[in-house]
Amino acid sequence: NAGVTQTPKFQVLKTGQSMTLQCAQDMNHEYMSWYRQDPGMGLRLIHYSVGAGITDQGEVPNGYNVSRSTTEDFPLRLLSAAPSQTSVYFCASSYSVDRPNYGYTFGSGTRLTVV
Amino acid sequence: DQQVKQNSPSLSVQEGRISILNCDYTNSMFDYFLWYKKYPAEGPTFLISISSIKDKNEDGRFTVFLNKSAKHLSLHIVPSQPGDSAVYFCAARAYNQGGKLIFGQGTELSVKP
Repeated sequence: NAGVTQTPKFQVLKTGQSMTLQCAQDMNHEYMSWYRQDPGMGLRLIHYSVGAGITDQGEVPNGYNVSRSTTEDFPLRLLSAAPSQTSVYFCASSYSVDRPNYGYTFGSGTRLTVV
Repeated sequence: DQQVKQNSPSLSVQEGRISILNCDYTNSMFDYFLWYKKYPAEGPTFLISISSIKDKNEDGRFTVFLNKSAKHLSLHIVPSQPGDSAVYFCAARAYNQGGKLIFGQGTELSVKP
């Protein structure tokens, strides 16, 4: 049981380049989300999804796109990378939004540097 | 507007003593509060949660207290162990916001032998 798998673990991009951060979970979780962690800012929600075909914006959505075509996968796309997007990105999933007391399972993160 | 705040960036405690991590919030619509622990180069891991209808929840060495009137919660770790050294995040969920979690800035706990 792999849990939440994020790829790649590290990435360096040049300003203006595009890329997709991959997130997959094998727990049949309904809810998936993307966070970014920056020093002194904690974890900030970028986008989230309550099920296949349904996505919504979080606190800091600008510059990022998401889609949820399957229950298992929730990729995060950077269309034109900017230095302000240098951060550590975490994907998280949860069985159901109706059971928050079970917590959310996080992946191990993707460290992205935009130069 | 920071809805969940952890005002102490760091905390240092002696092994065996109590660690108290604090968290304040502003949104009265939050119905669940969670604590996460994060080691370097790893993702956060769920530690303990509390519903807004309770004022205390205990799990082994970890206890979370909720004071709704003060919009304040705290995590107590007794006794503290060196392996507890990590960054602790407080998080809250608003039932009318699609289940998303809002996190605080985190507090780095250092437990010294």
